[in-house]
Amino acid sequence: SQQGEEDPQALSIQEGENATMNCSYKTSINNLQWYRQNSGRGLVHLILIRSNEREKHSGRLRVTLDTSKKSSSLLITASRAADTASYFCATTGSGNTGKLIFGQGTTLQVKP
Amino acid sequence: DTGVSQDPRHKITKRGQNVTFRCDPISEHNRLYWYRQTLGQGPEFLTYFQNEAQLEKSRLLSDRFSAERPKGSFSTLEIQRTEQGDSAMYLCASSPSIGGLAAQETQYFGPGTRLLVL
Repeated sequence: SQQGEEDPQALSIQEGENATMNCSYKTSINNLQWYRQNSGRGLVHLILIRSNEREKHSGRLRVTLDTSKKSSSLLITASRAADTASYFCATTGSGNTGKLIFGQGTTLQVKP
Repeated sequence: DTGVSQDPRHKITKRGQNVTFRCDPISEHNRLYWYRQTLGQGPEFLTYFQNEAQLEKSRLLSDRFSAERPKGSFSTLEIQRTEQGDSAMYLCASSPSIGGLAAQETQYFGPGTRLLVL
C-alpha cells in the first residue's frame, strides 16, 4: 500500500523558477528519501533525510522533514528543463529490511 | 556498465501464460528488492532478499508469483498464469549491507521490465 500522499500531483513551471513538492506519510519512520523517475524508466536516488534531522541540502535540492506533522517537502531551486520528471518520496520504517514505501509522486514539467 | 540491469525490458504475453524476469544487481550488493509500479502510481514493495535468503514478501505477492536468488547474485521473478491485472512495470533494486548507514539505505534501481498482459 502507498505510504501517503504527495502534493501537488502535477506541477508545471518555467525554467529558472523554484519547484516545491510535499509529501505526507502515515507511520513512524527511520528516514525519508526522495527519488526521481524519468518517463518510463527506473528511479534515481536524490537525497535522504533521517528522522532526527529537520533540513538537508544537496546542490539545488533542499529537503525538510517535520515528524510531528508526518510531512516532508522537496525544493528544487533554479529549475532546468532536464528536471522534468516524476518525483517520489519514500520512507523506511523500523524494520531492518530497508524496504521503501513510496508515495504516489509529483509530476514536474519544467518549460524551457 | 555497473548499474542494475533487468531483462527483458518489455514483455507482451497472453493471459494465462507464465513469464519470468531477471535482475542483475550491482555486484557485491547483497540486498535485492522487487517492486511493482502501475501507471500513475509509486512503486509498491513485493519482496526482499539478503544474499540468497528471501526475508520478506508483501501480501501483494500472490501464490502465482515466485522469486528466487539462488546464488545470492542475480534474481528471477516468475509470474504464473498471468492476469490482465499483472500488467505493470516490475522494478528491481539493490543496496549494499556495508559502508555507511546512508549507503546501505540508498537503493539503486534498474530500468524495469514493462509487462503487458493481453
